[in-house]
Amino acid sequence: DQQVKQNSPSLSVQEGRISILNCDYTNSMFDYFLWYKKYPAEGPTFLISISSIKDKNEDGRFTVFLNKSAKHLSLHIVPSQPGDSAVYFCAANAGGTSYGKLTFGQGTILTVHP
Amino acid sequence: GAGVSQTPSNKVTEKGKYVELRCDPISGHTALYWYRQSLGQGPEFLIYFQGTGAADDSGLPNDRFFAVRPEGSVSTLKIQRTERGDSAVYLCASSRTGGPNTEAFFGQGTRLTVV
Repeated sequence: DQQVKQNSPSLSVQEGRISILNCDYTNSMFDYFLWYKKYPAEGPTFLISISSIKDKNEDGRFTVFLNKSAKHLSLHIVPSQPGDSAVYFCAANAGGTSYGKLTFGQGTILTVHP
Repeated sequence: GAGVSQTPSNKVTEKGKYVELRCDPISGHTALYWYRQSLGQGPEFLIYFQGTGAADDSGLPNDRFFAVRPEGSVSTLKIQRTERGDSAVYLCASSRTGGPNTEAFFGQGTRLTVV
């Protein structure tokens, strides 16, 4: 039972354009959502998060949008840069558990072409 | 170093053998997590320590898997009678506390291959 799903295995965009990565979840107990970025042979690195009391959180070029009614979140990267090429994981945490206990999606491979 | 350190980076073992994977968290971090990542999948939660005690071990797949953190710092994940299906990257993460808005920092992982 995949509670967090990233349905696009890969995404390819041109440098300078917007990258939009999508994530759907099924567990209504999830109330905190995160995006992690992973380069080969490295561990995931925290990128940005959002609490369920918000619908948007922005940090520089990265913005996360949350649509609770649709159980959907997305990560927007504007403008995209070649260094953004990595695997992006969406993750969720259920209220009442440790904030480090995360349920991850399968990941989306982002490739940004110069 | 300043980050989470995992040793070894790679481990190849024969089916049926016992293995230990080590995690050195960031100094002062009280919360420590183990995850397992299979090929093409996201990390999957195994166990969470708060200090020396396992606060949540609901992700351990069976009793062949065990983890300890005797002094509240270094942790060891132990796998008995390894099976080929145990092959994966084992990730460790730590955070300052287990509370809200405390980011979990991941190590680079140990790639375990059971042949």
